[in-house]
Amino acid sequence: SQTIHQWPATLVQPVGSPLSLECTVEGTSNPNLYWYRQAAGRGLQLLFYSVGIGQISSEVPQNLSASRPQDRQFILSSKKLLLSDSGFYLCAWSRASGGSSEQFFGPGTRLTVL
Amino acid sequence: KNQVEQSPQSLIILEGKNCTLQCNYTVSPFSNLRWYKQDTGRGPVSLTIMTFSENTKSNGRYTATLDADTKQSSLHITASQLSDSASYICVVSMTGGYNKLIFGAGTRLAVHP
Repeated sequence: SQTIHQWPATLVQPVGSPLSLECTVEGTSNPNLYWYRQAAGRGLQLLFYSVGIGQISSEVPQNLSASRPQDRQFILSSKKLLLSDSGFYLCAWSRASGGSSEQFFGPGTRLTVL
Repeated sequence: KNQVEQSPQSLIILEGKNCTLQCNYTVSPFSNLRWYKQDTGRGPVSLTIMTFSENTKSNGRYTATLDADTKQSSLHITASQLSDSASYICVVSMTGGYNKLIFGAGTRLAVHP
């Protein structure tokens, strides 16, 4: 069966510090991978998606970047965190068999920027 | 603009009671509609999926309906349990491309004993 992991589960960082959140998927190959941010009382906002190693697409301009160094690894980064980067970050995967495949979400990372 | 709107924003019910959550969408081209359950501090988990031609889908005590003409969906929860306390998110998938999803803001349901 497939599983998706995220770490850390929670993170408190000062403004201006760097960020690295990691997501890994097990039990599948060549998945589509996604990073979402969820603000309180708001819907999930897609930040990045990837259809393959080294292939990253950004949905919204922001202070963050993403990388996919391996098939089942997706990393969310920032060089200098802003207060507005606080939120709940979710990684998800779906089969690469085309549109309308279900997305499976990880447990999330709660980021607080102080 | 592709949007998904949910109502109510929050809801409190007593254990054992039924409730219905609403979802209106303006998403095109439409592929399917899912309801997700998200426990506090956890990732969302899919409850039901409906395509354009499906009117209703059940998953235990959860029953979802879809009216593709009016672009409305509902999630009915029967005989609520304390464990139903969560956020319920309506998500519409668009056809083509990389499987883009449009998320509603969710309805926060609290079931009290």
